[in-house]
Amino acid sequence: EAGVAQSPRYKIIEKRQSVAFWCNPISGHATLYWYQQILGQGPKLLIQFQNNGVVDDSQLPKDRFSAERLKGVDSTLKIQPAKLEDSAVYLCASSLGRNMNTEAFFGQGTRLTVV
Amino acid sequence: SQKIEQNSEALNIQEGKTATLTCNYTNYSPAYLQWYRQDPGRGPVFLLLIRENEKEKRKERLKVTFDTTLKQSLFHITASQPADSATYLCALPNNFNKFYFGSGTKLNVKP
Repeated sequence: EAGVAQSPRYKIIEKRQSVAFWCNPISGHATLYWYQQILGQGPKLLIQFQNNGVVDDSQLPKDRFSAERLKGVDSTLKIQPAKLEDSAVYLCASSLGRNMNTEAFFGQGTRLTVV
Repeated sequence: SQKIEQNSEALNIQEGKTATLTCNYTNYSPAYLQWYRQDPGRGPVFLLLIRENEKEKRKERLKVTFDTTLKQSLFHITASQPADSATYLCALPNNFNKFYFGSGTKLNVKP
C-alpha cells in the first residue's frame, strides 16, 4: 500500500515570496490534515478536510495561508507571502475515519526555510 | 484549550531496560489518546490508540496506560533496543475533536 506522498521535500525561499506544497493521501482516505511542526515542538493542526470540505481551519493564518483539496483527493497548501516564522516542516496526514480516533498516516513532510 | 505536557528532557536508558514516558494533560478529558513515534526527518508513525474505558493496551513490547483521574498516560517500552531511539509524541483531541500533539520526549537507548 502506497503511503502519503508529499512534495517537495525541501524548499528555501526568501521572505515575502510564495510557496506551495502538494500532498497525495492514501487512496480511499476521506480525511486529510495539514500540520505545521516547528523544530522542537509537536505538530500543530492547520487545516482538516473531510473529502473536499473543510472541517476545521481555526489555526490556519488565513491572511497568508490557503489550502484546497480538489475532488476530495490531492491537496495543496500555499503560503503567500512567507514570513521568517513560517520556517518549519509541513506535514500532511490522512485517515480513513472522520477524526483521529482512527490511525493517521503521515507523509515525510516538506521542510521550509524562509530567509 | 487542551494543554499537553511531555517531558522535554531526553530520556537516556540502557539497552534491555524498560523505558517509561509520561503524557499529562489538562482541561478536557479525551475519549481516546494516541501515541506516535517520530524519527529525525520523518513524519510521525502511529503506534497505539487507547480509549477512556481501557486502562491498559499492549502491542508487542509496547504498553500504554490511561488514567483519566490523574489525567495521565504512560507509555512503556520493555526490553528496549537502540532501534527504539526516537521521539515519542502523545496526541489527543479536545472537546471539539481538534487534535493536539504534545512536544514529544526523545528516547535514547544505549547499547
